[in-house]
Amino acid sequence: QKEVEQDPGPLSVPEGAIVSLNCTYSNSAFQYFMWYRQYSRKGPELLMYTYSSGNKEDGRFTAQVDKSSKYISLFIRDSQPSDSATYLCAMSAYSSASKIIFGSGTRLSIRP
Amino acid sequence: NAGVTQTPKFQVLKTGQSMTLQCAQDMNHNSMYWYRQDPGMGLRLIYYSASEGTTDKGEVPNGYNVSRLNKREFSLRLESAAPSQTSVYFCASSEATPVSEKLFFGSGTQLSVL
Repeated sequence: QKEVEQDPGPLSVPEGAIVSLNCTYSNSAFQYFMWYRQYSRKGPELLMYTYSSGNKEDGRFTAQVDKSSKYISLFIRDSQPSDSATYLCAMSAYSSASKIIFGSGTRLSIRP
Repeated sequence: NAGVTQTPKFQVLKTGQSMTLQCAQDMNHNSMYWYRQDPGMGLRLIYYSASEGTTDKGEVPNGYNVSRLNKREFSLRLESAAPSQTSVYFCASSEATPVSEKLFFGSGTQLSVL
């Protein structure tokens, strides 16, 4: 069993919809949680990060962490075609980047 | 700002050939990383360098070597390429934040080994 599980999609939604992306994990020691966005033929870029449990909001993006369920989510409100990308969840038990475990990514397509 | 620059962007090798992937960052970061990305597998760490003069193995180091040439440059070498090394390779560097380290990635090298 992988430490981090992520539905690969693809997920296709109409413009303006609310998107929910999710990851589950098995290691209860994880306390740093991240979402990366990766456009086609580009490297990932950090979108959101959360320490421990709770919610974090940044513009149209909201990250949620439920440590009791070992489940994290990324919500995108008022989705735009420019949000079409692969979204990778990532997490770690330590602050060092060398310990980050990445999910396999969910491909998201926003239809105009 | 260039950020993290990788060369080449594409490469095709025959089994047994060798090659070096180059990476340079201009953000004055101490730590640098090499990852590979395969379908359904996510990003996996090959090697990293926490500072100039040091290197450490990651999750999948077999078949690779690295050199931290100076603070800016971190290269990845495949001595005898195998088809299992067909992948997209990403170099990254990191900066410390009050909470954790933030990774900055290059645009990747798509490598095919025939």
